Amino acid sequence: GQSLEQPSEVTAVEGAIVQINCTYQTSGFYGLSWYQQHDGGAPTFLSYNALDGLEETGRFSSFLSRSDSYGYLLLQELQMKDSASYFCAVRDASGGSYIPTFGRGTSLIVHP
Amino acid sequence: NAGVMQNPRHLVRRRGQEARLRCSPVKGHSHVYWYRQLPEEGLKFMVYLQKENIIDESGMPKERFSAEFPKEGPSILRIQQVVRGDSAAYFCASSPKSTGNTIYFGEGSWLTVV
Repeated sequence: GQSLEQPSEVTAVEGAIVQINCTYQTSGFYGLSWYQQHDGGAPTFLSYNALDGLEETGRFSSFLSRSDSYGYLLLQELQMKDSASYFCAVRDASGGSYIPTFGRGTSLIVHP
Repeated sequence: NAGVMQNPRHLVRRRGQEARLRCSPVKGHSHVYWYRQLPEEGLKFMVYLQKENIIDESGMPKERFSAEFPKEGPSILRIQQVVRGDSAAYFCASSPKSTGNTIYFGEGSWLTVV
């Protein structure tokens, strides 16, 4: 099976930079994704890494190290609207179905 | 293009009743996933379906829960004889293929069992 670990909560101030880490265990790693979920809303896709390195999308970047089974989401120039839960999700190819498995989520609280 | 549509958005059932949750995937998507989310917790995989086939139901309880994705119409998650512990948000997601970098979620169906 798969398992993921991420911090339960992170706090930061507007304008700052925050990093949310994710470590995973899986037998057939295929890719690591990040999703954002505001209270009561649909999880929305932010970023995806299949290969080692940094992927940048505007204020958000995601990093992957497959040898360390580790990734992170970097949020820059934080805004109040970034307060939400952030989930890492790993896709495993070993069973042939590539079903995304999600971490428990990190609650990001942005203060003025 | 419409996204993933789920209904009802909110559903209240008494213990012992049945709950039916519907999910219409993004047009052209043939892969559907159901996840359950409890407050302050992550998304727990339940079942993965393609048109007319259940591909993986390893996350679904063996009793009282069933899912289908018929050739025509939405995917249905059915919970029979609901209990208080079934109260949760149920999210459906779809994708055009099994691989790829993302799946697209609906707004969820919030089931409350009283």
